[in-house]
Amino acid sequence: GAGVSQSPSNKVTEKGKDVELRCDPISGHTALYWYRQRLGQGLEFLIYFQGNSAPDKSGLPSDRFSAERTGESVSTLTIQRTQQEDSAVYLCASSSGTARGTDTQYFGPGTRLTVL
Amino acid sequence: AQSVTQLGSHVSVSEGALVLLRCNYSSSVPPYLFWYVQYPNQGLQLLLKYTSAATLVKGINGFEAEFKKSETSFHLTKPSAHMSDAAEYFCATLNTGGFKTIFGAGTRLFVKA
Repeated sequence: GAGVSQSPSNKVTEKGKDVELRCDPISGHTALYWYRQRLGQGLEFLIYFQGNSAPDKSGLPSDRFSAERTGESVSTLTIQRTQQEDSAVYLCASSSGTARGTDTQYFGPGTRLTVL
Repeated sequence: AQSVTQLGSHVSVSEGALVLLRCNYSSSVPPYLFWYVQYPNQGLQLLLKYTSAATLVKGINGFEAEFKKSETSFHLTKPSAHMSDAAEYFCATLNTGGFKTIFGAGTRLFVKA
């Protein structure tokens, strides 16, 4: 695959339902990031995975949010009991992980989540 | 804690005019700084980054940025705007730990014919 892919591209859900968002990083990239972008705002860091190290979850806004990554492959971001304020574009990025945060992050197209 | 502030949520320039997008950083240590661009209906991509080497950093599409420690600034410039430069631009930095990217609120650039 050429780049980072995310699915679904759009998700509309009802308040209180759980949603799962998927990210396929570039093959060989050990670092993976999730961000949230609310309408008209900058990106908000959510979580960072680097290889087999414990992820940095410091940006997750509440315990309704969780993310998993198996090895250096696919990652899923799960939001439980969605609220209207969760409506945003969720972006995933991956990088080679060789230079910690300074290596170039490659972003996916995002998943636009709308909570009714 | 590291942070960046982008001055101006919207900037409008005429085609062929100078583009200047402002970013100021707050950091207690030498920062790493980035500019990203988000074209309409496309993902973010890196324009350029400063990692404490040369203070004038050249990026893609004719953009460049200059790190000025005395002004705590990292403004993005392009000598001559093109219609295709219309996009949202984000300044960013790294947190102290070195892997959490902190983004500014963004500046939307409009280019008038």
